[in-house]
Amino acid sequence: GAVVSQHPSRVICKSGTSVKIECRSLDFQATTMFWYRQFPKKSLMLMATSNEGSKATYEQGVEKDKFLINHASLTLSTLTVTSAHPEDSSFYICSAGVGVRGETQYFGPGTRLLVL
Amino acid sequence: GENVEQHPSTLSVQEGDSAVIKCTYSDSASNYFPWYKQELGKGPQLIIDIRSNVGEKKDQRIAVTLNKTAKHFSLHITETQPEDSAVYFCAASIAGGTSYGKLTFGQGTILTVHP
Repeated sequence: GAVVSQHPSRVICKSGTSVKIECRSLDFQATTMFWYRQFPKKSLMLMATSNEGSKATYEQGVEKDKFLINHASLTLSTLTVTSAHPEDSSFYICSAGVGVRGETQYFGPGTRLLVL
Repeated sequence: GENVEQHPSTLSVQEGDSAVIKCTYSDSASNYFPWYKQELGKGPQLIIDIRSNVGEKKDQRIAVTLNKTAKHFSLHITETQPEDSAVYFCAASIAGGTSYGKLTFGQGTILTVHP
């Protein structure tokens, strides 16, 4: 149980294009979903927190117009990287949270984004 | 805000030995402490967690201890195996607080188990 999928697992795109990443909780409904970014050999950096049907809460320094988050249902959240640039290349990981405030988080396998 | 410090950054052990990773946290309101294992190129996997009303929790070869007074918690892996080699992250959260389950992660520990 508690399986989270992410699609695509890898994506290469040209600079200036937009990329959408899907995150799905397959066998449970998530109170909250989270989006992280991870640089090589570094810890996870929280980008934003989203709840179904409401606007995402972005962490300080994360551009909400650049990283669009849509949380359409209790099992699906999407992250769209708009007008991607090489510096957006990274490993993006989502998690789906359960518990009182979604604190028990189950992570997806991650999406490797390379912007050329 | 919460700050979580994790040590050591790297840990090398022989197969069969025990491994211990320690974390400290700063916010006394934190009450939920998960541990994650991350293999190369994959997402973190929840391996064990503990809440502040419990001092110790064990699951087969893995155990976690929590000292609320000192604000530190530790992961213990016994009888290590090569497949335990990975990066381990501790985290802290305030379950039931105003921030939706936000986890603050430690810096990670690269564990290498030598056959």
